Amino acid sequence: KAGVTQTPRYLIKTRGQQVTLSCSPISGHRSVSWYQQTPGQGLQFLFEYFSETQRNKGNFPGRFSGRQFSNSRSEMNVSTLELGDSALYLCASSSGGGTIRGEAFFGQGTRLTVV
Amino acid sequence: GENVEQHPSTLSVQEGDSAVIKCTYSDSASNYFPWYKQELGKGPQLIIDIRSNVGEKKDQRIAVTLNKTAKHFSLHITETQPEDSAVYFCAPQTGGFKTIFGAGTRLFVKA
Repeated sequence: KAGVTQTPRYLIKTRGQQVTLSCSPISGHRSVSWYQQTPGQGLQFLFEYFSETQRNKGNFPGRFSGRQFSNSRSEMNVSTLELGDSALYLCASSSGGGTIRGEAFFGQGTRLTVV
Repeated sequence: GENVEQHPSTLSVQEGDSAVIKCTYSDSASNYFPWYKQELGKGPQLIIDIRSNVGEKKDQRIAVTLNKTAKHFSLHITETQPEDSAVYFCAPQTGGFKTIFGAGTRLFVKA
């Protein structure tokens, strides 16, 4: 069974640009969550999608957005990039259908560097 | 809002010793309590979890204990080995179905 796949693995962008990251969850998983990981702030929850609907949202500005497609693949977009957006962006999938989300399976992440 | 605290931030033990990491949460409606291990260059991976109707769960050298009254749960690793060296995160699921990660504990196991 293939794991969670995130593309690209590495990205370098300039301040002010926008970026789109992609996540393909484990087959059959309908919940996809996104996290930002930085040395200073740890793992910060961005948002969660389930069956194409945003089910939960963290405390990030509106420049961070996401969506989920009918095949459960998800994309995350960051507009007007700032230097502070440099981080490892992790995607996690879970079956997520019940009241307990259960085990989250993480991808290897996309390392975004903003210069 | 929800608050999760994890202690210690760094832990260094001798091979064969035990390691204990504690996670305190604020949301009394939390109902799922996992621990994740993250190795360099990889995403976090679940190592053990416990649900709110159970007080303790063990899997070989790893155990998790839950105290819902005091709102904390702990990771116990016995007979530590060098390959246990990693960053460990608690990630309780809140009553609003959010998963909030602790700040992480960097565990060093010295051979």
